[in-house]
Amino acid sequence: AQSVTQLDSHVSVSEGTPVLLRCNYSSSYSPSLFWYVQHPNKGLQLLLKYTSAATLVKGINGFEAEFKKSETSFHLTKPSAHMSDAAEYFCVVSSWRDDKIIFGKGTRLHILP
Amino acid sequence: EAQVTQNPRYLITVTGKKLTVTCSQNMNHEYMSWYRQDPGLGLRQIYYSMNVEVTDKGDVPEGYKVSRKEKRNFPLILESPSPNQTSLYFCASSFGGGGSAYEQYFGPGTRLTVT
Repeated sequence: AQSVTQLDSHVSVSEGTPVLLRCNYSSSYSPSLFWYVQHPNKGLQLLLKYTSAATLVKGINGFEAEFKKSETSFHLTKPSAHMSDAAEYFCVVSSWRDDKIIFGKGTRLHILP
Repeated sequence: EAQVTQNPRYLITVTGKKLTVTCSQNMNHEYMSWYRQDPGLGLRQIYYSMNVEVTDKGDVPEGYKVSRKEKRNFPLILESPSPNQTSLYFCASSFGGGGSAYEQYFGPGTRLTVT
């Protein structure tokens, strides 16, 4: 069975400082991994995805994530936070073995002025 | 414009009164899915459909039904709603599910309150 764990339910950073949102996954087969963002009272938008090509994946708005198979991690980073990054972020896993799609419980990112 | 639409956007109902939330996509996607979002629990998959007439249970299917008679539509049916089904519901679609790396496109959400 697949699972995904977002290690922090809330993260606070100051504007202009780096962002790190942590995600660990469990999958018996080669997974596809995604990060989605949900701004307050809005729908969900894809930030980036890993599909077994490059392990370092670049997404929109300066975000990137690195797939580390040995650590079963797919952490999301951004070098410099902006106020508009305040939102909830979801790590998502799926695999060809199981048609289900599994979301993590989310990490709410707060940006301090 | 490529989109997933859901109706209604807001619904307040009473326990036991059957309701249907509609979902429609105009992108010719094969995979469609329903999720519920609850604080602290993220999104949990209720049902999904790989194609017309093919549906399967997600992680929280109890109390829900779906059908996929046409490729573009995937309604969610609550035959006897209960207060624990009060939640924010999202419909999503993509070209593929499971191990595919296709992006999911989400509807705007339906906020359901069952009293």
